[in-house]
Amino acid sequence: EPEVTQTPSHQVTQMGQEVILRCVPISNHLYFYWYRQILGQKVEFLVSFYNNEISEKSEIFDDQFSVERPDGSNFTLKIRSTKLEDSAMYFCASSEALLAGATGELFFGEGSRLTVL
Amino acid sequence: DQQVKQNSPSLSVQEGRISILNCDYTNSMFDYFLWYKKYPAEGPTFLISISSIKDKNEDGRFTVFLNKSAKHLSLHIVPSQPGDSAVYFCAASRTYGGSQGNLIFGKGTKLSVKP
Repeated sequence: EPEVTQTPSHQVTQMGQEVILRCVPISNHLYFYWYRQILGQKVEFLVSFYNNEISEKSEIFDDQFSVERPDGSNFTLKIRSTKLEDSAMYFCASSEALLAGATGELFFGEGSRLTVL
Repeated sequence: DQQVKQNSPSLSVQEGRISILNCDYTNSMFDYFLWYKKYPAEGPTFLISISSIKDKNEDGRFTVFLNKSAKHLSLHIVPSQPGDSAVYFCAASRTYGGSQGNLIFGKGTKLSVKP
């Protein structure tokens, strides 16, 4: 069964350092997303990406964040200068179509846990 | 700003019985609702969805009911099985003229199904 894969599973970094989280979406999917979940809190939308550009982003997704699809398979989230409050589980997701046109299924990866010290 | 609320953080049910998980929302612009299940150390897994033009959608043991006037939806699992033990997230979205793929999640309800 096709799945979304994420690396690394856990990254520990010092405050102020740059972090890149990587995702390989399902191969025939066209829409890509990043969500995050701070410990004990809700899963929150960060950004959606389609046709090599950002479709939508939340207030959380400020100038410290960027996304890129550097090749035909990877989808990355970069945090330029990490802050303590960036510590969270980051989930990548992909979908074949937009919600309105499909079952609404976003396939999520297992997540990358980021710990900022 | 809790647009999607799951007021029960946990629910315990006996195997074979019905599990009912509840979700309330405040934004009347939401028109698409989803339930996801999450096991520890895994990402959320899609369970079932419902469009606002319907009031019920059924898939095997899972049924979602939508009451738009009350801004309430519920997930029924019957019969419940120990493997259903997980955290269940309700999510909502505006698909028409709004966000697509931007899911607003509730905080989740941890379901424990006891053998």
